[in-house]
Amino acid sequence: DIQMTQSPSTLSASVGDRVTITCRASQSISSWLAWYQQKPGKAPKVLIYKASNLESGVPSRFSGSGSGTEFTLTISSLQPDDFATYYCQQYNSYPYTFGQGTKLEIK
Amino acid sequence: QVQLVQSGAEVKKPGASVNISCKASGYTFTSYYMHWVRQAPGQGLEWMGLINPSVGITSYAQKFQGRVTMTRDMSTSTVYMEPSSLRSEDTAVYYCARPYYDFWSGSPDRNWFDPWGQGTLVTVSS
Repeated sequence: DIQMTQSPSTLSASVGDRVTITCRASQSISSWLAWYQQKPGKAPKVLIYKASNLESGVPSRFSGSGSGTEFTLTISSLQPDDFATYYCQQYNSYPYTFGQGTKLEIK
Repeated sequence: QVQLVQSGAEVKKPGASVNISCKASGYTFTSYYMHWVRQAPGQGLEWMGLINPSVGITSYAQKFQGRVTMTRDMSTSTVYMEPSSLRSEDTAVYYCARPYYDFWSGSPDRNWFDPWGQGTLVTVSS
């Protein structure tokens, strides 16, 4: 199975900050990576697919980059609605696997 | 619009089984896999497996082989997921999730999930 490792596990930041979350795959997954945002009691919502493609309707302050084994999700200027947990997911091969999550907290 | 509506919360005793449903609407049911993902309280997301609603073929993560059964009812556009021999560690929210692409638009086995069902909480407690 492909292991996905996210860092950091928790991130404290303020409104307006630029933040970056990293996701590393245990083997190359090309660009077959998605990023999701999850709020308490809700299902995950896709933000980025194929490593760098912004899902329709997602604010442009979200961006993704990377390929192979190292990927990043960047939020250019945090807004109050962005405080949530973020997960990466590889869909290069089954079983699909997720990172352990990054909880973005208000500083 | 595309929508996945899951059945309500369940409380089960250890050793029991539970049947969770996911009713699809707004798209051609037989043109997309349906996946299941679970999330234990305060934990991350775990892929369980998938079903091809067109032919009923399933593929399960090794961890869930023999403990989970996925089925579908084409007449009602509903998929079902039945975990059996429940243990306390199976207490989780279970989500159905549809891949973005159908079988013909792209690679059906390389897909992110959009949309997701609202989740079904299963609590296993004696």
